[in-house]
Amino acid sequence: GAVVSQHPSWVICKSGTSVKIECRSLDFQATTMFWYRQFPKQSLMLMATSNEGSKATYEQGVEKDKFLINHASLTLSTLTVTSAHPEDSSFYICSAILETANYGYTFGSGTRLTVV
Amino acid sequence: KNQVEQSPQSLIILEGKNCTLQCNYTVSPFSNLRWYKQDTGRGPVSLTIMTFSENTKSNGRYTATLDADTKQSSLHITASQLSDSASYICVVFSGGSYIPTFGRGTSLIVHP
Repeated sequence: GAVVSQHPSWVICKSGTSVKIECRSLDFQATTMFWYRQFPKQSLMLMATSNEGSKATYEQGVEKDKFLINHASLTLSTLTVTSAHPEDSSFYICSAILETANYGYTFGSGTRLTVV
Repeated sequence: KNQVEQSPQSLIILEGKNCTLQCNYTVSPFSNLRWYKQDTGRGPVSLTIMTFSENTKSNGRYTATLDADTKQSSLHITASQLSDSASYICVVFSGGSYIPTFGRGTSLIVHP
């Protein structure tokens, strides 16, 4: 089945530094990946749609210069949180589409970011 | 506006008991509805996928139902186990879009 690997699973960083999160589709190619953010006891909130070989599409209210997304290959998308602040602390989850007749929508295992 | 409402918000049951979670949606046009299980600190894992023409789908002890006319779905868990403790999220896709609408989830706690 479709597997999406997300790394790291957790990270602690200092305010002002940048953090990169990787999302890989292990056994399929994903032209489209998605990045979500989830606060405790809240629903997943879509941040951006990552398209291979082109610019990401950001949701309203998401700062594209703050959350840099790169989808350089059909199996890898990265999210870089730049100049992180404590309010950026959250659970970040990626997902990818398996474009079959009954397409699978598979999530990564998530990354817990804590900014201190 | 597309919306997905889940109930109850939280549920506590004893191990071995059955339970049913509800999902009502107003997503249009409807494509498919999925139930995911999300363990604490993990990404959601797919349990079932149902299209317009499907009324019932099972995955082990999980059985999902769909009534496309009333726009309601349920997830029934049989003979609950401690490992069923998680958040269960109802996700609805509209036709022509890969961007779904998420419910807020039902937090299930199974006590021994």
